Amino acid sequence: QSVLTQPPSVSGAPGQRVTISCTGGSSDIGAGYDVHWYQQLPGTAPELLIYRNNNRPSGVPDRFSGSKSATSASLAITGLQAEDEAYYYCQSYDSSVTTWVFGGGTKLTVL
Amino acid sequence: QVQLQQSGPGLVKPSQTLSLTCTISGDSVSSNSAAWNWIRQSPSRGLEWLGRTYYRSKWYNDYAVSVKSRITIKPDTSKNQFSLQLNSVTPEDTAVYYCTKRGPVTEAYDIWGQGTMVTVSS
Repeated sequence: QSVLTQPPSVSGAPGQRVTISCTGGSSDIGAGYDVHWYQQLPGTAPELLIYRNNNRPSGVPDRFSGSKSATSASLAITGLQAEDEAYYYCQSYDSSVTTWVFGGGTKLTVL
Repeated sequence: QVQLQQSGPGLVKPSQTLSLTCTISGDSVSSNSAAWNWIRQSPSRGLEWLGRTYYRSKWYNDYAVSVKSRITIKPDTSKNQFSLQLNSVTPEDTAVYYCTKRGPVTEAYDIWGQGTMVTVSS
């Protein structure tokens, strides 16, 4: 059972916009800790997609954006493309267990 | 460009020790700004941070409470590597294990190794 809660799946048609939520609590996101997002394509290691809430590493398209408020965070993907079909994970720090924690992951299906 | 290359066995018997090594290229395990981590992924436990080693004038380690009594992460400066040892493994430790770098700018896991599928079975 993950500390950070994500929807198991989301879907959208090519060109559409989707959002993935990540809900935490008072000891992680709500305590002010940053949220990072990772994309995992089938059979590969996760890759950093968004760091420190809303920053993109070089090479990540600006179709991907992140936001954070109170005890939750969101990843938005605009102009959906077939290649975006993957699992997405949020990650933060939980001070109650002094551990870096991940969400359970969301599978994005491009219809 | 930083790269991490993992090595180690894919099959470990119950009660024995799981040992993996991560070789760093393009950076130094003795970096004063990075931290070197092990993370595992399994269907039952998802992505789970296991621990880290890092150098800030001296060496430090942090471990997840869930494995603290069984885990050791060690740097090897002569080979620019860091290693994971997990003792007394059970089938619950079956997972894909990743070594990662936590960078000073991103403060996230911005470099990942290729992953090693480790099965605990007799």
